Amino acid sequence: ETGVTQSPTHLIKTRGQQVTLRCSSQSGHNTVSWYQQALGQGPQFIFQYYREEENGRGNFPPRFSGLQFPNYSSELNVNALELDDSALYLCASSAGGGNEQYFGPGTRLTVT
Amino acid sequence: GESVGLHLPTLSVQEGDNSIINCAYSNSASDYFIWYKQESGKGPQFIIDIRSNMDKRQGQRVTVLLNKTVKHLSLQIAATQPGDSAVYFCAENNYGQNFVFGPGTRLSVLP
Repeated sequence: ETGVTQSPTHLIKTRGQQVTLRCSSQSGHNTVSWYQQALGQGPQFIFQYYREEENGRGNFPPRFSGLQFPNYSSELNVNALELDDSALYLCASSAGGGNEQYFGPGTRLTVT
Repeated sequence: GESVGLHLPTLSVQEGDNSIINCAYSNSASDYFIWYKQESGKGPQFIIDIRSNMDKRQGQRVTVLLNKTVKHLSLQIAATQPGDSAVYFCAENNYGQNFVFGPGTRLSVLP
């Protein structure tokens, strides 16, 4: 059984640029959730995808968008990057919402 | 709004002692809770979960207690080891909606 994987592990972008982060869910999981974790804080929910549809969204602006593919892998896109977007971006997968949720190692994004 | 908080931001325990990490939640409708362990530079690691129809659940060296009356959750770690040093988060879920995480408690195990 393959766990949750994310790519890239680290990324440095300039303010105003766009970024795409990728996540492969654990085998058998059809739900992917994305979180932003600022240094020293708990993860903050961005949105969740279930069977390729957005299934809930946290308090993040529209420049945070996502996709889920038929194989349940997912992308997080952030447009017009701001300095405050610097954080660890975590992907978690589960077999439906409200069930055991497992995290990937995260992507560390630095915006300069 | 809904929030999950922790009473103690840092906890230091002697190796071999038991650790208790506490968590308060505000959404009485939350029905599922997970404890996560996060080591530096890594993603959160699932430790144990509990649903609202239970008040206690045990795993290997860990026990989670849920008190719905006062909206309180705790994680007990028996015979704490150096490898238990990490930040611990509780997360609550409301009928399949998103998980809400608290700020975390840093557990330091002293030799």
